[in-house]
Amino acid sequence: DVVMTQSPLSLPVTLGQPASISCTSSQSLVHSNGNTYLNWFQQRPGQSPRRLIFQVSNRDSGVPDRFSGSGSGTHFTLSISRVEAEDVAVYFCMQGTRWPPYTFGQGTKLEIK
Amino acid sequence: DVLLVESGGGLVQPGGSLRLSCAASGFTFSSSAMHWVRQAPGKGLEWVSRIGDTGTQRHYADPVKGRFTISRDNAKNTLYLQMNSLRVEDTAVYYCAGDRGGLGDPWGQGTLVIVSS
Repeated sequence: DVVMTQSPLSLPVTLGQPASISCTSSQSLVHSNGNTYLNWFQQRPGQSPRRLIFQVSNRDSGVPDRFSGSGSGTHFTLSISRVEAEDVAVYFCMQGTRWPPYTFGQGTKLEIK
Repeated sequence: DVLLVESGGGLVQPGGSLRLSCAASGFTFSSSAMHWVRQAPGKGLEWVSRIGDTGTQRHYADPVKGRFTISRDNAKNTLYLQMNSLRVEDTAVYYCAGDRGGLGDPWGQGTLVIVSS
């Protein structure tokens, strides 16, 4: 199984400052079709998860453009250009290249300093 | 609006069974692979099962293989998860999710399954 490792697991950030979360996979996530199936999810307190980014860098509909995804191979990053109060959440990466099983990272808890 | 609504969760004793349902609307359900993902209390996300758009391809996570069965009724726009031989460690919120652009869109609000004596 592909192991997804996130860092940091806790991320205190000052409002208006940038933030980034790293996700590393134990195997390359490049599919034989050339695509890379790495998604990012946001789970606000008491809510269901919501997908933010699919295939490394594509924002889902309605996702603010302060969120961006980057990376390739085994190293990926979710970046927030300027953190807002509504961004307090747990963020998960997930790989959908080498399945089954689909696998998630442990989650990174973003909080306001 | 695109919507997934899960139902069927509840309290069940170890060894018991439950059937979860997920009603889909606002998108072409019959053209979309679908998933079940679960989240134990205070824990992360765990993929449970996937079913292809026609229902012929089914895959399961090892912890549930042989105990859970995923199915779908495209005429009713509904996804199911039959859970047998339930264990305490199956306690979780169960989410259904679509596969537009990959797993995760759309995503339901979840239904809580508690396995306890």
